[in-house]
Amino acid sequence: ELKVEQNPLFLSMQEGKNYTIYCNYSTTSDRLYWYRQDPGKSLESLFVLLSNGAVKQEGRLMASLDTKARLSTLHITAAVHDLSATYFCAVNYGGSQGNLIFGKGTKLSVKP
Amino acid sequence: ETGVTQSPTHLIKTRGQQVTLRCSSQSGHNTVSWYQQALGQGPQFIFQYYREEENGRGNFPPRFSGLQFPNYSSELNVNALELDDSALYLCASSLGGTSGGYEQYFGPGTRLTVT
Repeated sequence: ELKVEQNPLFLSMQEGKNYTIYCNYSTTSDRLYWYRQDPGKSLESLFVLLSNGAVKQEGRLMASLDTKARLSTLHITAAVHDLSATYFCAVNYGGSQGNLIFGKGTKLSVKP
Repeated sequence: ETGVTQSPTHLIKTRGQQVTLRCSSQSGHNTVSWYQQALGQGPQFIFQYYREEENGRGNFPPRFSGLQFPNYSSELNVNALELDDSALYLCASSLGGTSGGYEQYFGPGTRLTVT
């Protein structure tokens, strides 16, 4: 059974600081996703990582994937209040259009 | 290009009742997946439909059932509602098959409350 673990689950940051969220998964998968969710809202796709060593950046967020270590990271640079949200990683399971197995999420709060 | 839509937005039901949730997939997509997200948790996979056939199921009891229609819209039906069924139900639309992509696009969700 594929398990996805995120840490930390809660993260309180000051504006301007850097931090990294970690996502470990237990079995081989061919893609990894990062989503953002604001309170009471749906999931917004941030990144899809498809291969070992993949790195993608959008604004202050950068995601990377190490398939050998079964680890993905979401790095936040110079955090701003607008980044406050819950961030989920999810791993594809079961083939080309398999289902997604999600971590429990990291609730990020960026304070002035 | 229309995005993924879901209806209703909110729903309150009583324990033991039945509920139907609806999802319209993004234009051109033939696959719909349903997820349940309990408060404070990550979404959990319920099942997936590809070209009107069930194409995978998560660890949910048979009282959770679904349909996909020829236009690729989908329904999630839950019978004999229990208090623990209270959650946000998300559908995700994608393009399956050999020409499929990797993205799953999520709808806004239906918030179900069971009292």
